[in-house]
Amino acid sequence: KNEVEQSPQNLTAQEGEFITINCSYSVGISALHWLQQHPGGGIVSLFMLSSGKKKHGRLIATINIQEKHSSLHITASHPRDSAVYICAVYADKLIFGTGTRLQVFP
Amino acid sequence: GAVVSQHPSRVICKSGTSVKIECRSLDFQATTMFWYRQFPKKSLMLMATSNEGSKATYEQGVEKDKFLINHASLTLSTLTVTSAHPEDSSFYICSARGPSGTDTQYFGPGTRLTVL
Repeated sequence: KNEVEQSPQNLTAQEGEFITINCSYSVGISALHWLQQHPGGGIVSLFMLSSGKKKHGRLIATINIQEKHSSLHITASHPRDSAVYICAVYADKLIFGTGTRLQVFP
Repeated sequence: GAVVSQHPSRVICKSGTSVKIECRSLDFQATTMFWYRQFPKKSLMLMATSNEGSKATYEQGVEKDKFLINHASLTLSTLTVTSAHPEDSSFYICSARGPSGTDTQYFGPGTRLTVL
């Protein structure tokens, strides 16, 4: 069993839909990252959080340390949000989930 | 925000040759850099942790003589794939840890290596 599990693995949505991607982990962590990887391969760090909730534009990330669970929400999704979203937890090194491939259609 | 660059972005080489990939932190000093490998549709796999001025720490199963890492300055780490083989073809990504006291990592854009 992977130490970091993401769901769903693949997600398609119509433009404007509200999207949720989930991440569960089984190890003790000091921080959790949400990353975005576009088809070209480059990775962008969206959020790093260790408690509560963070918001940046249309993106919201939450974490529940007790339940070892985090969610990434995208409001009013847009085709340019199409990418792979990766959850990674920091437990003396980064441990990555397998990613959620999101496609948003116009 | 902090920027990490990688060069080259893609490289094609023949079996048996060596390839060097550079990772630079452009606007901050990075005492620690990380090298990852990613197979198609798979998660990133940490290969090694590179500390400025000291030997890299390799993850289990990663051959240190094949993947040579040098972190000679606070803004540059290099990964050299020696005697490349087709199975070394992959996407290599570096990251740099942010200023001391933070766990944030800044990722480079990656280098796609194809070994013929």
